[in-house]
Amino acid sequence: DAGVTQSPTHLIKTRGQQVTLRCSPKSGHDTVSWYQQALGQGPQFIFQYYEEEERQRGNFPDRFSGHQFPNYSSELNVNALLLGDSALYLCASSLDLGPGETQYFGPGTRLLVL
Amino acid sequence: EDKVVQSPLSLVVHEGDTVTLNCSYEVTNFRSLLWYKQEKKAPTFLFMLTSSGIEKKSGRLSSILDKKELFSILNITATQTGDSAIYLCAGSFGNEKLTFGTGTRLTIIP
Repeated sequence: DAGVTQSPTHLIKTRGQQVTLRCSPKSGHDTVSWYQQALGQGPQFIFQYYEEEERQRGNFPDRFSGHQFPNYSSELNVNALLLGDSALYLCASSLDLGPGETQYFGPGTRLLVL
Repeated sequence: EDKVVQSPLSLVVHEGDTVTLNCSYEVTNFRSLLWYKQEKKAPTFLFMLTSSGIEKKSGRLSSILDKKELFSILNITATQTGDSAIYLCAGSFGNEKLTFGTGTRLTIIP
């Protein structure tokens, strides 16, 4: 049973560039959430996608956008990168049975902005 | 605003010791509390707690929730070097997101 997968594993960008991160959910899951984890901090919720729509959003600027495809996979896009966007970006998938369902995490993409 | 606080921030013990990690939360509409173990990248799921006073157990790990006092503990008995990791506590508070604490970094010395 395939777990959550993410690509790429590592990425180096420069300020002002744009980046796209990808996530495939665990088999049977229909909901994808994205989190940003800065060094020494817990993951911070960016947004969640269900039925190809953004269902809930955390406190992140509009530079952060996403998409969910019919096969439930998802992308996270970040425009106009800032040094402070350097972090581990985690994707989590779950089955939409209501709030509080367990989310399972992928290995993450480590983004470094120079 | 939903808030989760973990303590201690870091802990160093010898192999074979028992440790207790703490998680407290401020709730607006509590649904569940989750514990994850993060070794390098992916947080791996340990427990989800929804009911007060019912212990969940998996091998040497166990966890319990107190919804009256708004806290949870994670116990690890007979610790091993493979238990070295960051342990994250997260709350689901009536919406879709998980709110995480900053984690407890546990180091087991052989």
